[in-house]
Formats: sequence, structure tokens, C-alpha cells
Amino acid sequence: KAGVTQTPRYLIKTRGQQVTLSCSPISGHRSVSWYQQTPGQGLQFLFEYFSETQRNKGNFPGRFSGRQFSNSRSEMNVSTLELGDSALYLCASSLGAGSVETQYFGPGTRLLVL
Amino acid sequence: GENVGLHLPTLSVQESDNSIINCAYSNSASDYFIWYKQESGKGPQFIIDIRSNMDKRQGQRVTVLLNKTVKHLSLQIAATQPGDSAVYFCAETLYSGAGSYQLTFGKGTKLSVIP
Repeated sequence: KAGVTQTPRYLIKTRGQQVTLSCSPISGHRSVSWYQQTPGQGLQFLFEYFSETQRNKGNFPGRFSGRQFSNSRSEMNVSTLELGDSALYLCASSLGAGSVETQYFGPGTRLLVL
Repeated sequence: GENVGLHLPTLSVQESDNSIINCAYSNSASDYFIWYKQESGKGPQFIIDIRSNMDKRQGQRVTVLLNKTVKHLSLQIAATQPGDSAVYFCAETLYSGAGSYQLTFGKGTKLSVIP
């Protein structure tokens, strides 16, 4: 069974631009969660989507948004990029909503904002 | 590889020794805890979990201890191997019903195994 895949793996943007990251969950998984990882703040929870609905949300500004499609694939969007948005963005999938203990992480998308 | 190890405390252990990685969590109401392992260039990988009604749980070569009095978690790795070299995170979860939860991660510890 294929694991969680994220595209692109690396991305360079400039301040003020917007970016969309994509995550394909493990086949059969309906929940997708997004995380931001930086050296300074560590790993922080962004949000979780289940059945195309946002179920849980971390403490991030409204510039960070996401959506989930009917095939469970998810996208995360960051608008008006700031230098501090440079990070590794991780996606994790699980079978059901709130299934923190059975999450499988993808390799991440490394975003660099210049 | 990914620079997730920057600014992290580092624990260096000799191969075959035991390792103990510590984590202080923040919310006394948290009811579920997980330890993750993250190797360079990869996403975090689940190692072991423990619920707040337990104080110890054992897996294969790993043991997690939970001390709710001082809000402290530890991960013990027996007979540490070179393949155990990675960054280790703890995570605390507070469930609020109907699939809703608050998930917070520790900053992580970098474990380096000396062959």
C-alpha cells in the first residue's frame, strides 16, 4: 500500500505570493491533517480535514487555509507569504477523524520564502 | 537532509547502551500522549503511546513512563542501535469530544548513537 505523498517536495516563493501544497492520503484514509515544522517552533498542528470538512484547527492566522476533496486528497494554501512561513509542511492521514494515534506522515514539503 | 535538528537538545549515547529521552508537557488535562521518531528527510513516525490513566507502557525495546504529578514523559530505548539516531518528539492530546482535540508537540531531542 502506498504511503502518504506530498507534492511538491521543495518550493521557493517570495514574500507576498501565495502557495498551494498537495497531499494524497493512504488509500482508504479519510482524515488528513496538516502540520508546520520549523527549527524555532518545532512541530505545530495546523488543521484536520475529514469528509471534506475541517474538524480541528490549530492556532494559525487565516492566511493558512485548506480543503479536502471527495477522494480525500487535501490541499493547503498560504496566502500573502511571510519570511516566517519558511518551514517543512507535513501532512498526515488516518482512517477516521481525530485518530491521532493512527496517523501516518508524509515526507513533507519544504517551503522557502525569500 | 531536513534541518529539523537545529536548536534541539542532543543526547549522545554509545551503541548498546540504554537511552532516556525526557519531555515536559504543558496541559495537566491532556489525556493521551505519543512519542514520535523523525529521521532526516522523513516525516515523524509513531513509536509508542500512553493514556493518562496509565503510568507505564512497554513496547519492543521502548518504554514510556508518565508522571502526571510533574507533567513529565520519558522514553526509554533499550540497547540503543545506530538506526535509533533521529529526532524524538513527544505529543500531548486533549480530547474534547466528537472527534475534536487539541494536539501539542514538544520541541524534540536529537539522539545520536555512537558506534
